[in-house]
Amino acid sequence: DAGITQSPRHKVTETGTPVTLRCHQTENHRYMYWYRQDPGHGLRLIHYSYGVKDTDKGEVSDGYSVSRSKTEDFLLTLESATSSQTSVYFCAISESGDYGGEQYFGPGTRLTVT
Amino acid sequence: EDQVTQSPEALRLQEGESSSLNCSYTVSGLRGLFWYRQDPGKGPEFLFTLYSAGEEKEKERLKATLTKKESFLHITAPKPEDSATYLCAARAGTYKYIFGTGTRLKVLA
Repeated sequence: DAGITQSPRHKVTETGTPVTLRCHQTENHRYMYWYRQDPGHGLRLIHYSYGVKDTDKGEVSDGYSVSRSKTEDFLLTLESATSSQTSVYFCAISESGDYGGEQYFGPGTRLTVT
Repeated sequence: EDQVTQSPEALRLQEGESSSLNCSYTVSGLRGLFWYRQDPGKGPEFLFTLYSAGEEKEKERLKATLTKKESFLHITAPKPEDSATYLCAARAGTYKYIFGTGTRLKVLA
């Protein structure tokens, strides 16, 4: 299994509070991604990183920010959590060139915003 | 608009009853078609990458194929442990992966 861990694995938080999710990899892969998974939707990209301190927005980035200060760590922050951000969050890594680029996923964080 | 559609949404098979899952895609400049397996409460697990029409990949009871418009995941003589959700994704850009909503497969003993 690819060495990807996510923490916490489960979290319940109140509307309006900030939340930070952590993704840690031991594979030294260059690219890291945050996705959310909701019923009726495919995995949707929130933010991605193509190197230390190099990040960019995905298709559902509103209300989220990220940081990557080390190759192995990618943090996702919900600045002020809302009920619409209740979801399962997955981190993924890849080592991709122009073609290929299979992604390896972490175990997920189940976030509930009450 | 780039799009990936999987069918059926759910499939129940008897053990040993072979079948196929479909992944239709509309993506300009496809850079890879991926299949994943996802078990409940876990992250997707990578299965296959296909790059060009006519390509096939096999792993145990699974075989993935690719045409210019769709991909199939063929399951031969499935076992109960093959029960999972199978996801496909099309890579449309360097960082752009379009995921389908998956097929939930249940194999009955």
